Parts: sequence; structure tokens; C-alpha cells
Amino acid sequence: QVQLQESGPGLVKPSQTLSLTCAVSGDSIRSDDYYWTWLRQHPVRGLEWIGYIHGSGNTYYNPSLMSRVLVSADTADNRFSLKLISVTAADTAVYYCAREPKYRRTPPEAFGVWGLGTLVTVSS
Amino acid sequence: ETVMTQSPATLSVSPGERATLSCRASQSVSSDLAWYQQKPGLAPRLLIYGASTRATGIPARFSGSGSGTEFTLSISSLQSEDFAVYYCQQYNRWPRTFGQGTKVEIK
Repeated sequence: QVQLQESGPGLVKPSQTLSLTCAVSGDSIRSDDYYWTWLRQHPVRGLEWIGYIHGSGNTYYNPSLMSRVLVSADTADNRFSLKLISVTAADTAVYYCAREPKYRRTPPEAFGVWGLGTLVTVSS
Repeated sequence: ETVMTQSPATLSVSPGERATLSCRASQSVSSDLAWYQQKPGLAPRLLIYGASTRATGIPARFSGSGSGTEFTLSISSLQSEDFAVYYCQQYNRWPRTFGQGTKVEIK
């Protein structure tokens, strides 16, 4: 059974860098079959897709965040990470990691596996 | 990006009644549409993908329909555990986008 678990600081100061890690068990992040994804949920603005890293190392980001975000992978420890620079209060949210299949032949489609989520508050 | 619009924002339903939730996409997403259920403090849970395919373990009272830009999630006979917030999400285009949610509350 695949499990994802987010970890990282719950409080980040404005203008600093938000850094989170997602530990994956039950699957390999080197798999060609999946996009390993970060999403967030704002109290008011709702669910927002941030970006992914694929087993090939390819990444793709939401254009609204592209200038500030980096997703990377640590294949030795089977985890992937999110860095978001120059944060403001608008980046306060619950951050989730999730898995999305790259191919339709790998059900379920969409985000079938999620981490529990971690609240990150941006405040001085 | 593809904007997903859900209606209504809140739906008040009595247990045992049917609930019908709507989701509209600003451009065609074919059948690449998923529905999620979220309860307080928990991550979203995948209910439906491919517009109409139930995910593993999802009861038959949940059904999805639609294609293109108009989609519907129906819950045939609401149980107490079904009162939650429901989101639609398209995975046809990048970036992936979600609706703002419909809260199903007890009438």
C-alpha cells in the first residue's frame, strides 16, 4: 500500500523559503508511471496544484508559481521535496503531496493517493 | 488555465434523500474529471475519476456523469458519513485545477 507523508517547518517568516519533504513508501519515485505532485489548500482560495516531478526527473509547475517554486527528488531516500522562495502570508496553507498516474493504463486516474497534509503558516 | 465552477456552494439535504452536485469547466476537459470528498482535518479522498468510474471502495450510491464541460455527481441516498465538502478537478490540461467546492450539510 502506497503511503505519502509530508514533513517540514510549520512556521516560516515572510520573504524566507518554505521547504517541505514528502516521504514515499510502497512505491518508487523513480517509477515511469507517476507524477509526484505538490498541492496546497488555502482557507479561502481552495485547492491549488503546485507542480510535479516525474521519475525521469522532469518537472512542471503551475505558471502562477513558476518563478518561485522548485520540486526535486532524492531517489536514495525515496522522497521528493518542495521549495517555495520569497513567501508571503498568501502562501499560508495546508500543503499536500500526492501521486497522479502519467498513463491512463494505470488506474485510478487523477490524485488517488494523498499525504495527510501539513499546515504551513507564514508569519513573523 | 481551465476554470472549474461548482454549484451550489452549499446543499442542504436530509439523510436518505438524493443530492445532485454540478461542475462546469471553462473549456472541454473530455472525460478527464475527478470528484473528491473532504472531511474536516483530512486530505481529499478520490471518489470518481474518468467522470463516471468509482474509485476502489467507493459505495455504489455515488455516481458521476457528464463529459466536455458539464458534469454531475449524484449521491442516491445520503448517509450520515456523506456530509462533507465535494470538489471536482480536471486532469485534461495543465495546470490541474479544482472547483471551489460544494458543502453538503444536514437539512
